[in-house]
Amino acid sequence: NAGVMQNPRHLVRRRGQEARLRCSPMKGHSHVYWYRQLPEEGLKFMVYLQKENIIDESGMPKERFSAEFPKEGPSILRIQQVVRGDSAAYFCASSPTETGNTIYFGEGSWLTVV
Amino acid sequence: AQSVTQLGSHVSVSEGALVLLRCNYSSSVPPYLFWYVQYPNQGLQLLLKYTTGATLVKGINGFEAEFKKSETSFHLTKPSAHMSDAAEYFCAVSAPNQAGTALIFGKGTTLSVSS
Repeated sequence: NAGVMQNPRHLVRRRGQEARLRCSPMKGHSHVYWYRQLPEEGLKFMVYLQKENIIDESGMPKERFSAEFPKEGPSILRIQQVVRGDSAAYFCASSPTETGNTIYFGEGSWLTVV
Repeated sequence: AQSVTQLGSHVSVSEGALVLLRCNYSSSVPPYLFWYVQYPNQGLQLLLKYTTGATLVKGINGFEAEFKKSETSFHLTKPSAHMSDAAEYFCAVSAPNQAGTALIFGKGTTLSVSS
């Protein structure tokens, strides 16, 4: 049973370009979360999605960032017009539909903006 | 609102010594509590979790944590440190009975183990 799959693992973008990070949840999981990890700051919640719905985006920056979890295919975290401050590790996690609140993390996508 | 405070961003121990990583939480409802470990350039791996029932929770790799409601704490311990325990450790809290509620993480504690 494959875990949470994220790709790319490493991504380099120039300032102003777009970054797309993909996440396939564990089989049977319909809840997806995105977290950002900045040096010395721990993990910050960004967004929580279920299939075709954004449930909580309270941690998403107001501009340039968007997320989706379509009916088919992986969840996508999209960052438009990247800036150096966007350089970070982005982690996706998933959980099953039932309560229990254990979420399982992917290996992360490291974005470097040059 | 919920929050987590991890006391000490860096902890250093000798191999074979006791490991104690501190975590205090704030929650308006009885929480679910978690400890995750992160090795360099890797994702987070669940060490253990407390939901209900026994307050002393045993996890993987010899770690355990005790939920103390009166102290609002969930400290992580291991009797004897091993070199392979060197990593970053995160405490997290969530609200129970809410399917898929996002976890709120502490800032992490880096554990160093010397020989």
